[in-house]
Order: sequence, then C-alpha cells, then structure tokens
Amino acid sequence: AQSVTQLGSHVSVSEGALVLLRCNYSSSVPPYLFWYVQYPNQGLQLLLKYTSAATLVKGINGFEAEFKKSETSFHLTKPSAHMSDAAEYFCAVTTSGGSYIPTFGRGTSLIVHP
Amino acid sequence: NAGVTQTPKFQVLKTGQSMTLQCAQDMNHEYMSWYRQDPGMGLRLIHYSVGAGITDQGEVPNGYNVSRSTTEDFPLRLLSAAPSQTSVYFCASSNSWRDEQFFGPGTRLTVL
Repeated sequence: AQSVTQLGSHVSVSEGALVLLRCNYSSSVPPYLFWYVQYPNQGLQLLLKYTSAATLVKGINGFEAEFKKSETSFHLTKPSAHMSDAAEYFCAVTTSGGSYIPTFGRGTSLIVHP
Repeated sequence: NAGVTQTPKFQVLKTGQSMTLQCAQDMNHEYMSWYRQDPGMGLRLIHYSVGAGITDQGEVPNGYNVSRSTTEDFPLRLLSAAPSQTSVYFCASSNSWRDEQFFGPGTRLTVL
C-alpha cells in the first residue's frame, strides 16, 4: 500500500523568504512522486515529478524537490517566495504495487505575506 | 488540444435527484479518474479506469457510478444525490501510471 503525509495544512512565509513544504511517503516498492499546485478555483497542475532519474528535481516557477530514500521524503522548496506562489500544494505518490492511480496528500496551503 | 474538459462547471441539486458529470479528454490517455475535493480532506479517489471497458472503485465510491465506453469519455453518475455529496469534483487523465495526471477545471456541486 502507498500513502502520503503532508506536514502542516498551512504554511505562512514572507515575500522573499524560503519556502519549505514537507511531504513524506510510505511505499514498499520504488515510488514515483509528484508535486501539484492548485490556484483558487482551478484544477491541479504539475509542478515537478520524481521518476528515479535524479534525486534533485527542478520544476516550474523556481520550485525544486529532493528525493531522500532514507528519510522517505520529497520536500518541496523555493529559495524566495513570491506573492504569486500563494496556492494549495499537493504531494502524490504512485507505485507499481498500488492501484496504478496516485495517492494524494491532504494538501498544504501556502500563504505569502508582503 | 483542449486537454481535459468537464461539464457543467456548477450544479445545484435537490436531495434524491440524479445527474451525470461529464468528463472528456483528447490526449488519447488510457488512465482516467474521478476525485472529490473537500476542505481539509485533500483529493479522494472515487472511481478510476485504466482503459475503455475497465473501471474500478477508489476510496469513496458509494453513491457514484461510472462507465468507460470510449477512450475519450468518463462520465460520473450520481444515483440519488445527498447533501454529503456537496463537493468539488475533478476528472483527471494520464498516459500511464508512471506519468503525471492532467486535471480538468472541476465541477462545483451543491446538494440541498
């Protein structure tokens, strides 16, 4: 079985500060990991994905995530937050041992203060 | 490409009414799925399909039916609407289980 835990339902940062959104997964087989972003009243769109090619993955809008097998983590970071980064962020995991459909975390709402 | 389209965008139903939420994709994806999104609950899988003629239940299937007669379409049917089904519904598709999902814009459903 696969599962995802996102620590913190809300994260608040100041504009220009480091963004860190946490994601831990549980899987008995090698996972494929994804981060999605959802802006208000829109569907989800892909930020980045890990598919075992490289542990540090770069995505759109300056975001990146590092896969750490020993910590079963895939945390999302951005060096400097922008007001336009305010959104809901979802971590998801897929494995060959699951239902072949991703399992999503509960989401983290990123709030950016001026 | 239009990607994943969903209709309607908004819908209000009375308890006991039935309706179908439409979902279509033009990317020739085999995998399609329906999620509901509720505050604090993230995305919960309702039903999914790994190809035409193949469907399976997700985490919260009760009260919903699906069918997949073509690769492009994956409608979601509410059999007898209940207030607990008030939610935002998203349809998604992907090329395979290893690939990212493409999401539709969502349908906001209110059941009175």
